[in-house]
Amino acid sequence: AQSVTQLDSQVPVFEEAPVELRCNYSSSVSVYLFWYVQYPNQGLQLLLKYLSGSTLVESINGFEAEFNKSQTSFHLRKPSVHISDTAEYFCAVGPRSGNTPLVFGKGTRLSVIA
Amino acid sequence: DADVTQTPRNRITKTGKRIMLECSQTKGHDRMYWYRQDPGLGLRLIYYSFDVKDINKGEISDGYSVSRQAQAKFSLSLESAIPNQTALYFCATSKAGTGWSEAFFGQGTRLTVV
Repeated sequence: AQSVTQLDSQVPVFEEAPVELRCNYSSSVSVYLFWYVQYPNQGLQLLLKYLSGSTLVESINGFEAEFNKSQTSFHLRKPSVHISDTAEYFCAVGPRSGNTPLVFGKGTRLSVIA
Repeated sequence: DADVTQTPRNRITKTGKRIMLECSQTKGHDRMYWYRQDPGLGLRLIYYSFDVKDINKGEISDGYSVSRQAQAKFSLSLESAIPNQTALYFCATSKAGTGWSEAFFGQGTRLTVV
């Protein structure tokens, strides 16, 4: 079984400042890792994913996350946030083999302040 | 039109009433899921289905039932609604097969049980 811990439930940050949203996972098997974003009054959408290869993955809107196997972490970062980044962010984990659905963390609410 | 459509988008119902939430998808995916989102608790899996003849309980299935009427339709029922089932409900789909497959979410149904 897998589990995900998002260490911060809320992160307020000023516009143009850097941000890091932390995610740690636990699993007895190899996993895929994901960040999903939920904008106000919307469903979740995939932000970025780690499947294999380079441990640093990037999204089209400037976010990046780094897979750290030894620390079982997949923290999300952005060097300069915008007001439009205000949303809830969910880290998720899924097994590389087998058929179990994704397990989500409890979410981190990012509030960007003008 | 949205790829994953949930109806209704909002519903207020009374304690003890039976209610059905519906989900339909045009992605052609075999796998469908129902999640519940509560503030501070993230997304928790209620039920999932890997094909029309397959139904599996998730983390919090008590008090809920599901029906997979067709590949494209997956409905969630609350047989006798109670106030602690007040939450935001999401349907999601993903493609079958080995390896990773992105989950696509509907826009959610906000259910209030009074």
